[in-house]
Amino acid sequence: SQTIHQWPATLVQPVGSPLSLECTVEGTSNPNLYWYRQAAGRGLQLLFYSVGIGQISSEVPQNLSASRPQDRQFILSSKKLLLSDSGFYLCAWSRSSFTSGGPGDTQYFGPGTRLTVL
Amino acid sequence: EDQVTQSPEALRLQEGESSSLNCSYTVSGLRGLFWYRQDPGKGPEFLFTLYSAGEEKEKERLKATLTKKESFLHITAPKPEDSATYLCAVRDDYKLSFGAGTTVTVRA
Repeated sequence: SQTIHQWPATLVQPVGSPLSLECTVEGTSNPNLYWYRQAAGRGLQLLFYSVGIGQISSEVPQNLSASRPQDRQFILSSKKLLLSDSGFYLCAWSRSSFTSGGPGDTQYFGPGTRLTVL
Repeated sequence: EDQVTQSPEALRLQEGESSSLNCSYTVSGLRGLFWYRQDPGKGPEFLFTLYSAGEEKEKERLKATLTKKESFLHITAPKPEDSATYLCAVRDDYKLSFGAGTTVTVRA
C-alpha cells in the first residue's frame, strides 16, 4: 500500500528565515505530486504540482518555490518567510494519469505541516 | 474560474439525526467530484469520487450523490465519530478546486 509522509509536523519560524518542508511517498512509482496551503476557514489552495523529477508547475505567484529532486520526494522552500506564509501545508499524490475517470484522478493527502511565522 | 460552494458552513446534529451537506459547483467540464473528510490538525482523508450525474456512492453511514450542478453528502444516523469537516472538490483537467468545507459536530 502507499503511504505519504511530511515533516516536520509543526514549525515556528521568525519572519525572514528560510523554510524547507519535505514530502515523501512510498509504495508507488512516478506519482504526480502536489503542494497545497490551507488557511483557516478557507478551501485548500494549490501551490505547486509536479508530474516528474525536475518538472514543477506553479499555480500562484508567491514567496515559495518547490523542487522534486527524486521520483518520490517533493520539497517546498522559501528563502525569506513572510507573516502571510503561516498556514497548514499539505502534500498530496496521485497516480500518473491526466485522463478523466478511473482511480488515477484521486489525490491522497499527507498529514500536513503546521507553519507559524512570527 | 471554477467555483465550489459548500453549505452549511457548520452543522450540529444529535446522534442519530440524519442530515445532508450540499456542494454546488460551476465548472466548464466536470472531470470528477471528490469528497474528503478532515479531522482537526490532520490531512484530508479520501471518501468518494463521483463522475456523472445520477451516480451514487456509499460508505457506512455516508452516501454521496451527484447532479449536473451539485452534490449531496447524506449522513444517516450519525455517531459522534462522524464529527469532522467534510470537503468537496471538483476536478477540471489536472486541478482540484476545493470548497471551504462543512464542519459537522455530532453530540451524543
